[in-house]
Amino acid sequence: EADIYQTPRYLVIGTGKKITLECSQTMGHDKMYWYQQDPGMELHLIHYSYGVNSTEKGDLSSESTVSRIRTEHFPLTLESARPSHTSQYLCASSYGSLGHTGELFFGEGSRLTVL
Amino acid sequence: QQQVKQSPQSLIVQKGGIPIINCAYENTAFDYFPWYQQFPGKGPALLIAIRPDVSEKKEGRFTISFNKSAKQFSLHIMDSQPGDSATYFCAASGETSGSRLTFGEGTQLTVNP
Repeated sequence: EADIYQTPRYLVIGTGKKITLECSQTMGHDKMYWYQQDPGMELHLIHYSYGVNSTEKGDLSSESTVSRIRTEHFPLTLESARPSHTSQYLCASSYGSLGHTGELFFGEGSRLTVL
Repeated sequence: QQQVKQSPQSLIVQKGGIPIINCAYENTAFDYFPWYQQFPGKGPALLIAIRPDVSEKKEGRFTISFNKSAKQFSLHIMDSQPGDSATYFCAASGETSGSRLTFGEGTQLTVNP
């Protein structure tokens, strides 16, 4: 069973608010990821990190930012939320050396609704 | 740019049927092809994975068939059960993608009792 946790699970906020989605894992994985999942299911990588102080943008452009100050923690922040940010955000982590894909362990997701 | 195309988008079968989900990829440098299963309200979880040195891999009722020359792979679920109803994602990765997975669009499978 994966030990990766996301909070909050559900969040409804007004436009212009700053929000932070938390993600923590207790598996000691170096690699962590944020995916945005459309209502129609498709998963889009928006941020990833291969270790502390390392963050990169993913394949889908996002106005969110991330930080990786500790191995186990990978929070995602939206400075000014808009209705277009309404989505489900999934955090994941994996082991494996650079270039080798290990199994992704996903959290249960944070469903964000911006009014 | 969609590098992994998945079909069908949705699939309904009767209990005991054999649903088949297909994926095609473009990047010949991909060398790892997993399938993930997602239940409502949960994150995806790894179901089964294959590397291109074999043409088939079976784990329980789940089988991946892999055709390297056609750049296609598929998931077969034998003796499907209502509990298999979920969304299934194929994915692919390789060293050129820095080990990041590229996911297919997903298939919503419903197995009727």
